[in-house]
Amino acid sequence: EAGVTQSPTHLIKTRGQQATLRCSPISGHTSVYWYQQALGLGLQFLLWYDEGEERNRGNFPPRFSGRQFPNYSSELNVNALELEDSALYLCASSLGYSLGNEQFFGPGTRLTVL
Amino acid sequence: AQKVTQAQTEISVVEKEDVTLDCVYETRDTTYYLFWYKQPPSGELVFLIRRNSFDEQNEISGRYSWNFQKSTSSFNFTITASQVVDSAVYFCALSVSGRGSGGGADGLTFGKGTHLIIQP
Repeated sequence: EAGVTQSPTHLIKTRGQQATLRCSPISGHTSVYWYQQALGLGLQFLLWYDEGEERNRGNFPPRFSGRQFPNYSSELNVNALELEDSALYLCASSLGYSLGNEQFFGPGTRLTVL
Repeated sequence: AQKVTQAQTEISVVEKEDVTLDCVYETRDTTYYLFWYKQPPSGELVFLIRRNSFDEQNEISGRYSWNFQKSTSSFNFTITASQVVDSAVYFCALSVSGRGSGGGADGLTFGKGTHLIIQP
């Protein structure tokens, strides 16, 4: 069974541009989570999608947004990029929403903002 | 608000030594789950264990064991007879109910991680 996949692996942008990151969950998983892993800040929850709806978001500005498609894949958009957006962005999926469901993580997209 | 503290930023031991990674959590919820994940140099987080707030039984899986104590809000992880392949960053994480609240995150709250180095 294929795991969570993310694309691209690396992405280089300049300040002010927009970045689009993509995630495909494990087959059968309906929940997709996005996390940012920035140097010195650890892993921080960004967004959660379930059944096509944004269910909750972490403490990030509105220029971080995304969506979930009918096939449960998801896209994270970061507008007006700032240097501090440089980070590893991890996507995770789980089998629907249940407090104890483990989240399975993808390999991440390394975003570098110059 | 939820919080997970992993006070040990980095631990270095020689192969075959036992090592314990500490995790202390804070939450007002009575129902929650705790997780440990491993992040090897490749970057992909690997799930290790899950424990719910009503189950304080310790767990052993091969060389790995976990000690959950609600009285001290701790969920510590011990590797017995460590091996070089255990070298990685280990994260403790907390999941609480907050669905649709818009307040706290329904995503996992992670500690800052402990970088474990096993030297041959």
